[in-house]
Amino acid sequence: KAGVTQTPRYLIKTRGQQVTLSCSPISGHRSVSWYQQTPGQGLQFLFEYFSETQRNKGNFPGRFSGRQFSNSRSEMNVSTLELGDSALYLCASSPTVDRGTETQYFGPGTRLLVL
Amino acid sequence: DAKTTQPPSMDCAEGRAANLPCNHSTISGNEYVYWYRQIHSQGPQYIIHGLKNNETNEMASLIITEDRKSSTLILPHATLRDTAVYYCIVRGKSSGDKLTFGTGTRLAVRP
Repeated sequence: KAGVTQTPRYLIKTRGQQVTLSCSPISGHRSVSWYQQTPGQGLQFLFEYFSETQRNKGNFPGRFSGRQFSNSRSEMNVSTLELGDSALYLCASSPTVDRGTETQYFGPGTRLLVL
Repeated sequence: DAKTTQPPSMDCAEGRAANLPCNHSTISGNEYVYWYRQIHSQGPQYIIHGLKNNETNEMASLIITEDRKSSTLILPHATLRDTAVYYCIVRGKSSGDKLTFGTGTRLAVRP
């Protein structure tokens, strides 16, 4: 089975722009979660989607949003980029038949640099 | 979510066993212990998880104490490619699919 894929792998944007990142989960997985990793804050949970619905959200401003499509693929969007949004953005998927007890598998991440 | 405590760094010699400890004294009965590792700038890699019993797979062994307040991840024959940050995470139904990462243990495998 193919793993979690994320596109693009690297991205450079300038302050004030917006960005959309994409995640394709493992085939058959229905839950997609997003995380942000920075040197200062470590790995932090952004949000989780299941069946096109956001089920859980971390403590991030409204500039961070996401969505999930009927094929379980997910996108996250960051509007009005700030320098502090420079980070590795990670996507993880799980089958979520038994929520909270199934293993999540991570993609390689998208590295975003905001100038 | 129960919190975990790990040493910030450890090292071991190549070919020897690496034993990474984790304290999770507030774990509740239905929470699992998960281990992930992250090799520099890559996505976290799932290693192993367990509830009560010790577990073993092709990557590692997980030893959970009888009172479940701590656990140890064992890499039986560490190689240079095992150099990574190792995260111990406690997770159950109440946390849903959210993983709460701490600062982990940075393992350096010496040649």
